[in-house]
Amino acid sequence: DTAVSQTPKYLVTQMGNDKSIKCEQNLGHDTMYWYKQDSKKFLKIMFSYNNKELIINETVPNRFSPKSPDKAHLNLHINSLELGDSAVYFCASSQGPNSGNTIYFGEGSWLTVV
Amino acid sequence: GNSVTQMEGPVTLSEEAFLTINCTYTATGYPSLFWYVQYPGEGLQLLLKATKADDKGSNKGFEATYRKETTSFHLEKGSVQVSDSAVYFCALANSGGSNYKLTFGKGTLLTVNP
Repeated sequence: DTAVSQTPKYLVTQMGNDKSIKCEQNLGHDTMYWYKQDSKKFLKIMFSYNNKELIINETVPNRFSPKSPDKAHLNLHINSLELGDSAVYFCASSQGPNSGNTIYFGEGSWLTVV
Repeated sequence: GNSVTQMEGPVTLSEEAFLTINCTYTATGYPSLFWYVQYPGEGLQLLLKATKADDKGSNKGFEATYRKETTSFHLEKGSVQVSDSAVYFCALANSGGSNYKLTFGKGTLLTVNP
């Protein structure tokens, strides 16, 4: 069973469109995250939720809106897509926001905006 | 703020060579330290971690020791294989709480030739 699963794995879309990436974890974790990996492989956190509540919101355009319907799911919706949004988006989860907890990552969603 | 610096790649080695990838960090408090690996076209996998000073993390022949005095967490393997070819990321997680997240280095691409 995949611990952290996200869909779709690949997404090619036009500028201006709205798209969503879904994420589910079956680890029973309380905390979920979205990370962005740019074309140079650099990874940076975007959002973090703990028990469905937003706890980290890094400097991310308002066009990005996370939603956590329950502890096991954290979806990412992106409005008015721009070329610069092309990246790999990783969902992740951890037992809680506690020191030393391992953060487990999904397989990534490769987004290409044309 | 927290930061991680790891050696620039790419690193190219022959099979059975010794590997070292340097990683140093800047952090407040008592961070936990991690190495993640990303194989081509795949997501991030935890390779090893250490949660306090002098701890040694190890997995699949890889080792790293948490050195507080030198703020380092260098990754080593005695004999690399072709299958170790991947991008390696050093990361730290802060002391926990509502701001718990991973701060990554820029990644080091390792290519192992037969």
